[in-house]
Amino acid sequence: DIQMTQSPSSLSASVGDRVTITCRASQGIRNDLSWYQQKAGKAPERLIYAASSLQSGVPSRFSGSGSGTEFTLTISSLQPEDFATYYCLQHNLYPLTFGGGTKVEIK
Amino acid sequence: EVQLVESGGGLVQPGGSLRLSCAASGFTLSDQYMDWVRQAPGKGLEWVGRTSNSYTTEYAASVIGRFTISRDDAKNSLYLQMNSLKTEDTAVYHCVRQYELWGQGTLVTVSS
Repeated sequence: DIQMTQSPSSLSASVGDRVTITCRASQGIRNDLSWYQQKAGKAPERLIYAASSLQSGVPSRFSGSGSGTEFTLTISSLQPEDFATYYCLQHNLYPLTFGGGTKVEIK
Repeated sequence: EVQLVESGGGLVQPGGSLRLSCAASGFTLSDQYMDWVRQAPGKGLEWVGRTSNSYTTEYAASVIGRFTISRDDAKNSLYLQMNSLKTEDTAVYHCVRQYELWGQGTLVTVSS
């Protein structure tokens, strides 16, 4: 199975901060990676697909980069509504696997 | 409105069975590949399995031989038949369309 190592597992940041979350795949997955945001009690929502393509309707402060084994989700200027948990998902090989999640909290 | 709505969750004893449903609206389910993803209380996301638009299926190792995914195109619905349930199957179960559209989930609790 492909292991997705997501870091950090949590972070504290202030409104306006630039935030970077990383997912590392245990083997190359091309760009078969999506990023999700999940708020408490809600279903996840996709932010990024194909590693770097912005989902329709998602603010442009979210961006994704990477290919192969190293991927990054960046929030350029953190907003109050961005405090949530973020997950990456690889869909290059079965079984599909998620990163462990990054909880973004208010500093 | 394009949406997925799960139902069928509840409390079941270890070793029991449960069948979850996922009703699709606003699109034709048979054209899509559909996944089931679960989330244990306070934990991360775990992929359970998939049915493709060619009706092939794939499963996570933890559910092979116990869970079965099926579809009823006439009802535009997806199903997850869960047998031989274990306490570690306790989770909110979501159906997901092509990684993008998620249902709100249905809670399955396996406990004696």
